[in-house]
Amino acid sequence: GAGVSQSPRYKVAKRGQDVALRCDPISGHVSLFWYQQALGQGPEFLTYFQNEAQLDKSGLPSDRFFAERPEGSVSTLKIQRTQQEDSAVYLCASSLAGTDNSPLHFGNGTRLTVT
Amino acid sequence: AQTVTQSQPEMSVQEAETVTLSCTYDTSESDYYLFWYKQPPSRQMILVIRQEAYKQQNATENRFSVNFQKAAKSFSLKISDSQLGDAAMYFCAYRDPTGTASKLTFGTGTRLQVTL
Repeated sequence: GAGVSQSPRYKVAKRGQDVALRCDPISGHVSLFWYQQALGQGPEFLTYFQNEAQLDKSGLPSDRFFAERPEGSVSTLKIQRTQQEDSAVYLCASSLAGTDNSPLHFGNGTRLTVT
Repeated sequence: AQTVTQSQPEMSVQEAETVTLSCTYDTSESDYYLFWYKQPPSRQMILVIRQEAYKQQNATENRFSVNFQKAAKSFSLKISDSQLGDAAMYFCAYRDPTGTASKLTFGTGTRLQVTL
C-alpha cells in the first residue's frame, strides 16, 4: 500500500481480555515504531524494531505489553489482561532506515477502549 | 531526559491571518532535531516542518515557518495565511540523534481552530 496501515481502527475490550493490534508498514521500510497516545496527550514511545530485531522496548509500560515483527515487515502489538489505563490510541510509524534523515510515516492508529 | 512543553492547549485564528504556536524543550545535547507534526481528526501524524539544531537558518515550508532560538531552547511554529484545512492538533517533537534512531519525544499538543 501507499502508507502505513493499522487494524483494527477501533477496538473495544472488556477488562482482562487480550488484544492484538496490527501494523503494516510501508514496503521496504526497515524501522518500525509503536507509540501510545492517551486522550489529550502527545504520543509516547513504546518500542522500536529494526527489521525483525526489537532494539528498544524501554517504553513498554508493563510486562503485559508485547510486540513482535517476526519477518521484518508486519508488526503486532499485544496487550494481555487489558486494564482501563490501557485505553489510548496506538500509533505505528515506519521509516526507510534508522537514520536521522529518514522521515517517519505514521498510520491512522488503533483506538483501544477498555471497559 | 528530554522534555517538550507546549503551553498553549488551544489557539484560534481567523482565516487568512497569521498564528504562532509555542514550544520549549529541555536537553543537554548540542545536536538534535526538532519537528512540528499536525494531527487531524483522522489521527494520522503528518510532518509539517523540521529543523536541525546545527543549522542557524530557520526552516520554512510554504506557509509554515519556525523561529528556532537554540540558546532559549524555543521552537515556535508560524502559520501564515491560515486556511480552514489547517485546523488540527499540532505537536512539537524532539529527536535525540544519539539515542534510538528516530525516537521522538512529543509535547502535549496545541489545538488550532480556524474561523471564518
